[in-house]
Amino acid sequence: NAGVMQNPRHLVRRRGQEARLRCSPVKGHSHVYWYRQLPEEGLKFMVYLQKENIIDESGMPKERFSAEFPKEGPSILRIQQVVRGDSAAYFCASSPDRVYSPLHFGNGTRLTVT
Amino acid sequence: AQTVTQSQPEMSVQEAETVTLSCTYDTSESNYYLFWYKQPPSRQMILVIRQEAYKQQNATENRFSVNFQKAAKSFSLKISDSQLGDTAMYFCAFMKYYGGSQGNLIFGKGTKLSVKP
Repeated sequence: NAGVMQNPRHLVRRRGQEARLRCSPVKGHSHVYWYRQLPEEGLKFMVYLQKENIIDESGMPKERFSAEFPKEGPSILRIQQVVRGDSAAYFCASSPDRVYSPLHFGNGTRLTVT
Repeated sequence: AQTVTQSQPEMSVQEAETVTLSCTYDTSESNYYLFWYKQPPSRQMILVIRQEAYKQQNATENRFSVNFQKAAKSFSLKISDSQLGDTAMYFCAFMKYYGGSQGNLIFGKGTKLSVKP
């Protein structure tokens, strides 16, 4: 019974490149959340998705960031033209389709922009 | 907007002793949930304990218990018989409940707990 799987665990990108972070939720979970953690900070909400739908993207920067959760396959967080300030740990969490269920977190992807 | 405040950036405790981590929050909501998450050096976010705001009884999970004071908007975590494996960052988090769906988690900045042998 695998938990939330995120890959890669570490990702290094040069300024201006694209970063793609993948998240496979717990089997049977239809809700996915993405969070960002800056050094010495708590996690900050970015986006909440259900299959093929973005439910809440109020925490997502308006430019360069996008997220998807297709009918088949993992959820993808995409950052275009990365800048140094994008360096952070990005966490994915999932929950099943019922009211009030704790979030299950992955181990995160640490993005370093050089 | 909801906010979560953890006023203790770092704490330490001797093994087998008891330690309390504080958390306060601000909200105008009446239905919500509160959580404590643990993040060891592995970076994994692990749920420690949760509390429904409508329940007056404080939640308990083995050595972990909370002191939930709804009127004061306070949600402290007590760790009894501290173990070396409890060394980690501890995050307090708030989740709004919409009555049919749930919102996202709002985290505090964390408290770094060190358990000393």
